[in-house]
Amino acid sequence: GQQLNQSPQSMFIQEGEDVSMNCTSSSIFNTWLWYKQDPGEGPVLLIALYKAGELTSNGRLTAQFGITRKDSFLNISASIPSDVGIYFCAGRPNTGNQFYFGTGTSLTVIP
Amino acid sequence: EPEVTQTPSHQVTQMGQEVILRCVPISNHLYFYWYRQILGQKVEFLVSFYNNEISEKSEIFDDQFSVERPDGSNFTLKIRSTKLEDSAMYFCASAGAAQETQYFGPGTRLLVL
Repeated sequence: GQQLNQSPQSMFIQEGEDVSMNCTSSSIFNTWLWYKQDPGEGPVLLIALYKAGELTSNGRLTAQFGITRKDSFLNISASIPSDVGIYFCAGRPNTGNQFYFGTGTSLTVIP
Repeated sequence: EPEVTQTPSHQVTQMGQEVILRCVPISNHLYFYWYRQILGQKVEFLVSFYNNEISEKSEIFDDQFSVERPDGSNFTLKIRSTKLEDSAMYFCASAGAAQETQYFGPGTRLLVL
């Protein structure tokens, strides 16, 4: 199956700092989604991207669909304690309905 | 805001028993999915369902698994004879006609003893 690699695997940052994480795939995707998952809960959709180069914001979150269509980036500005959680990217290739999930980035925000 | 719901939230079962996990997708959605997440690992696709049939499935979704939409609202995942390694969180998701985004339910935590 498709492999999506997320980096970094984990981050420990001070409250107020900005965060950047990315997701890369071995093949071209035509949709990228970013989710946040709190412990014991389902992933919550943060941002959806549909076109190469697209830059979309949702409050303090900004995500970009990479030009090569093999990567995507998520930035969080001015982090707060409730940003703590695991962030997953998910991508869908040109064929099929299936979304493939990345390995996740665990974010810890230190007050 | 409409949301995907799942029941039960937790299920404990003995190895070899059958379990049925239930999901109520968002009401106007047409595409339905089941995913699995083993503790501490990434979310893994199991199956997608559209127009009353399976449209895609992964290698995880073997003969022990089946899905059904028995009425206009519920979407179920059945595991016929559970194994220890089936212990995981199971998430249902649904998507609208454009299939462009999937919304997840809160999950069912399955523990097989």
